[in-house]
Amino acid sequence: DAGVIQSPRHEVTEMGQEVTLRCKPISGHDYLFWYRQTMMRGLELLIYFNNNVPIDDSGMPEDRFSAKMPNASFSTLKIQPSEPRDSAVYFCASSIREVGELFFGEGSRLTVL
Amino acid sequence: AQSVAQPEDQVNVAEGNPLTVKCTYSVSGNPYLFWYVQYPNRGLQFLLKYITGDNLVKGSYGFEAEFNKSQTSFHLKKPSALVSDSALYFCAVRGNTGGFKTIFGAGTRLFVKA
Repeated sequence: DAGVIQSPRHEVTEMGQEVTLRCKPISGHDYLFWYRQTMMRGLELLIYFNNNVPIDDSGMPEDRFSAKMPNASFSTLKIQPSEPRDSAVYFCASSIREVGELFFGEGSRLTVL
Repeated sequence: AQSVAQPEDQVNVAEGNPLTVKCTYSVSGNPYLFWYVQYPNRGLQFLLKYITGDNLVKGSYGFEAEFNKSQTSFHLKKPSALVSDSALYFCAVRGNTGGFKTIFGAGTRLFVKA
């Protein structure tokens, strides 16, 4: 398996623009997580899904953030409108209950100017 | 609410010496505990986990960790450090009472000097 695949790897955009980050989890994994990593705040859990259903979105910072999982092989994290403070590395991870550990993608580095 | 504390921002050791990276946790019920490693510009990689059973768990690259319930700790150890072990290490916890929410510590940067 290719592992968790995220795109784009790097995104530079201007304040106010819409940003869409994409994730393909490992086939057969039924949990999907979105994390944000910054120097100041470390790794923050934004939202996670089980069987494509959002279970806990309490970490989503504002209404500007939204996440969807239309099917078992694809998820998006959208920021609209983006702000400079959204600059971070966004990680997607997947897992299965029986295993427990998370498998991370390589991350999407977002810079909002 | 669950939480993880990694009290050291940085740990410095000489190559060949033993290393310890500390982690304490707080969670309702029995914990699932994990260690991950992150190299520059990469995603996190799983090292080892404690679910149940033997308090000493062994993982990848010669790392091990000891679960101590009374001290709510799960310290990462390695008998002999390598320069290539230099990286950012994260402890993580998940409760077993419903949900799959996995919370990470702030991370500890390990420097191994040749």
